[in-house]
Amino acid sequence: GAGVSQSPSNKVTEKGKDVELRCDPISGHTALYWYRQSLGQGLEFLIYFQGNSAPDKSGLPSDRFSAERTGGSVSTLTIQRTQQEDSAVYLCASSLAGTGHNSPLHFGNGTRLTVT
Amino acid sequence: DAKTTQPTSMDCAEGRAANLPCNHSTISGNEYVYWYRQIHSQGPQYIIHGLKNNETNEMASLIITEDRKSSTLILPHATLRDTAVYYCIVRVGNQGGKLIFGQGTELSVKP
Repeated sequence: GAGVSQSPSNKVTEKGKDVELRCDPISGHTALYWYRQSLGQGLEFLIYFQGNSAPDKSGLPSDRFSAERTGGSVSTLTIQRTQQEDSAVYLCASSLAGTGHNSPLHFGNGTRLTVT
Repeated sequence: DAKTTQPTSMDCAEGRAANLPCNHSTISGNEYVYWYRQIHSQGPQYIIHGLKNNETNEMASLIITEDRKSSTLILPHATLRDTAVYYCIVRVGNQGGKLIFGQGTELSVKP
């Protein structure tokens, strides 16, 4: 079956522009996560959605970052007024949360964002 | 979630076993040990997880010490395609919630 799909795979934008990154999770997965990875760095947690619960936004670095998940499926990460330090790979993951330890995260291959 | 400590890098000869250690001395009773790996330019890939018993699947084995303060991921016959960054993470298993990734171990499998 299909894995986690992210689009676009690459995005180049000018400083100050807004960007939207899309994530299609695995069908039936109730939990969805966004991470980012700057060049040569580890994964940085951004935000986590679980079903109808309020999302865990504790990792969002500034109010320029927001995310939504419509209909419990597709998610969009929006970065407003992009800055050069926003350049990174943005990774999405989904899992069958609620089934505890048998629900590993499945990651997409990310969107590489370059802010010029 | 408990913090983990891993060596920054390791080398392994192709065809030999790769043994990747992880310390998690502050792990609590309901936290599981998870291993993921990230091959260059790809998203992380789940490998294996366990609570206190040793676990084995088609990818690897996980050995957890009796006191659960450390564990070892074993790739029994490493190949060049196993070159990746390996992340050891502890997390409460009966809930959802984010995984917090550390810096991981960069494993280089050499011919």
